[in-house]
Amino acid sequence: GENVEQHPSTLSVQEGDSAVIKCTYSDSASNYFPWYKQELGKRPQLIIDIRSNVGEKKDQRIAVTLNKTAKHFSLHITETQPEDSAVYFCAARTPNSGAGSYQLTFGKGTKLSVIP
Amino acid sequence: KAGVTQTPRYLIKTRGQQVTLSCSPISGHRSVSWYQQTPGQGLQFLFEYFSETQRNKGNFPGRFSGRQFSNSRSEMNVSTLELGDSALYLCASRVGEDQPQHFGDGTRLSIL
Repeated sequence: GENVEQHPSTLSVQEGDSAVIKCTYSDSASNYFPWYKQELGKRPQLIIDIRSNVGEKKDQRIAVTLNKTAKHFSLHITETQPEDSAVYFCAARTPNSGAGSYQLTFGKGTKLSVIP
Repeated sequence: KAGVTQTPRYLIKTRGQQVTLSCSPISGHRSVSWYQQTPGQGLQFLFEYFSETQRNKGNFPGRFSGRQFSNSRSEMNVSTLELGDSALYLCASRVGEDQPQHFGDGTRLSIL
């Protein structure tokens, strides 16, 4: 099955600096890569996603890049703010052969702390 | 539009008991997936239901089961509870194959 590795597990940055979280996946059939943000005690919220036919996607201060050849994708947050502090999860969606559906495999998460 | 609703929010059980958790997806969403979230293992996929049929299953023992009703609401059942089953159980729904999943707030299950 698919395996998603996420690094680092914790990340501290000064307010205003950039933060980068990296993920690798193992199954070349994976074709969709969402990122979720989970604040303490709250539900995971989708913040950005990218499909395998796109190399980069940006939404204001957040961007995601995908390298299909190397099987890795990254989340970039610029001009970080204290409210960006949360746990971030990457995921890879893999077709489930024969069942006409997909399975989402998550990385273990990165705890981002933005220091004011 | 209401989000994914999970009940109850908190549950305390003892070893050996069984428990049923409920998930109501966003209106119009026919796919419901369940995940177990623990500090050490992160988010682990349990199973997915679509139109009352289980389409995917993760690597969990048979004590974990689920079902989906005709209105797309889903239930998850865990029998013979063990201490290691203590976790946040999250439900997520999506409207179609190529659409993102939206999570509920989860049910926090504690086993004493």
